[in-house]
Amino acid sequence: EDKVVQSPLSLVVHEGDTVTLNCSYEVTNFRSLLWYKQEKKAPTFLFMLTSSGIEKKSGRLSSILDKKELFSILNITATQTGDSAVYLCAVKALPYGGSQGNLIFGKGTKLSVKP
Amino acid sequence: DGGITQSPKYLFRKEGQNVTLSCEQNLNHDAMYWYRQDPGQGLRLIYYSQIVNDFQKGDIAEGYSVSREKKESFPLTVTSAQKNPTAFYLCASSTDSNQPQHFGDGTRLSIL
Repeated sequence: EDKVVQSPLSLVVHEGDTVTLNCSYEVTNFRSLLWYKQEKKAPTFLFMLTSSGIEKKSGRLSSILDKKELFSILNITATQTGDSAVYLCAVKALPYGGSQGNLIFGKGTKLSVKP
Repeated sequence: DGGITQSPKYLFRKEGQNVTLSCEQNLNHDAMYWYRQDPGQGLRLIYYSQIVNDFQKGDIAEGYSVSREKKESFPLTVTSAQKNPTAFYLCASSTDSNQPQHFGDGTRLSIL
């Protein structure tokens, strides 16, 4: 069965800290891995990764994929209170595996940034 | 502004009642999706549609129904057969099934 596991499930840091969120997966016929940020309501798209070793960066956030070891990390540097959210990892397989090509979500990592 | 609009934000259902959640998008996206989110859980796919007049069951379709009569609209009906409907429901859309999905603000459904 395809699955996505995120760790840690929750994390409390202080402003200015750097955090690393982890996402490991077991998916047949991997296509892409996506990161979302969910504050109160709608998850907002952060990154989509398809190739190993190529870092994607947006401001203080960055992410990288390792297709050999089947994981991705999301880094946030110089954290701010506005980074407090649940960060969701999702993996998409090709449409002839068990997941029929749909997104498989992890349970998320809840990040709390204290002032 | 382009986006995905879900309504209502909050909904209460009585026992034995069917309720319909609305999802409208003006992004001209072909693909639309419905997810359910329970506390401490990841999103689980209920139904999806890759094109008008076509839709497929997701992982947890039992007790739910959908229609896709217009490109911009993908309503979800929670039927009385769904015995544990209390959850946060999220609608999403994407240009096609290989592009990132973008989400609405969700509808929180509770049982009276």
